[in-house]
Amino acid sequence: SAVISQKPSRDICQRGTSLTIQCQVDSQVTMMFWYRQQPGQSLTLIATANQGSEATYESGFVIDKFPISRPNLTFSTLTVSNMSPEDSSIYLCSVEDRSRYTFGSGTRLTVV
Amino acid sequence: SQQGEEDPQALSIQEGENATMNCSYKTSINNLQWYRQNSGRGLVHLILIRSNEREKHSGRLRVTLDTSKKSSSLLITASRAADTASYFCATDYGGSQGNLIFGKGTKLSVKP
Repeated sequence: SAVISQKPSRDICQRGTSLTIQCQVDSQVTMMFWYRQQPGQSLTLIATANQGSEATYESGFVIDKFPISRPNLTFSTLTVSNMSPEDSSIYLCSVEDRSRYTFGSGTRLTVV
Repeated sequence: SQQGEEDPQALSIQEGENATMNCSYKTSINNLQWYRQNSGRGLVHLILIRSNEREKHSGRLRVTLDTSKKSSSLLITASRAADTASYFCATDYGGSQGNLIFGKGTKLSVKP
């Protein structure tokens, strides 16, 4: 299965600033997925990132708040913009292989 | 909401005991998957069971699926302290890729 390198692993940010999270996959994949896990909660899909096209966002998530880049088939970034304490969560990227999903190690974001 | 429900929310057992976690879901599925998460890090895929399967084994893991009751269970036999983690079920409804619906998880603590 694919191996995903995600960074940073954690960060503490001031409200109003932005943080960009990176995911690098060791193989070419068509789609990459970004999830959010709020404290003590389950995972929620933010968006699907396709190479060469705009990301597809799930209900409740917008591009202005969570811009995504997908410059090639092995790399993607998610930016959390204009952060507020409510954005404190774990953010995870993921890829799919034969219906099974491999996840990055997660970025634990704390907004103060 | 299509979100699955897991019970119990938390489970504490002694090493060597078996741990059983349950998951219920709402509509028809293509498959159901179980994932493990250590200390808020990335998720690790454990096992996938398709809608036409009733039971699957992988090492000390046994998963059952009852589509008539829309429920699944994960049994970990002869538990070890290293099994301490959160366990999530995720249902694949066959919609767009990446849109697994995760349950809220069971936090398992195995005491040495």
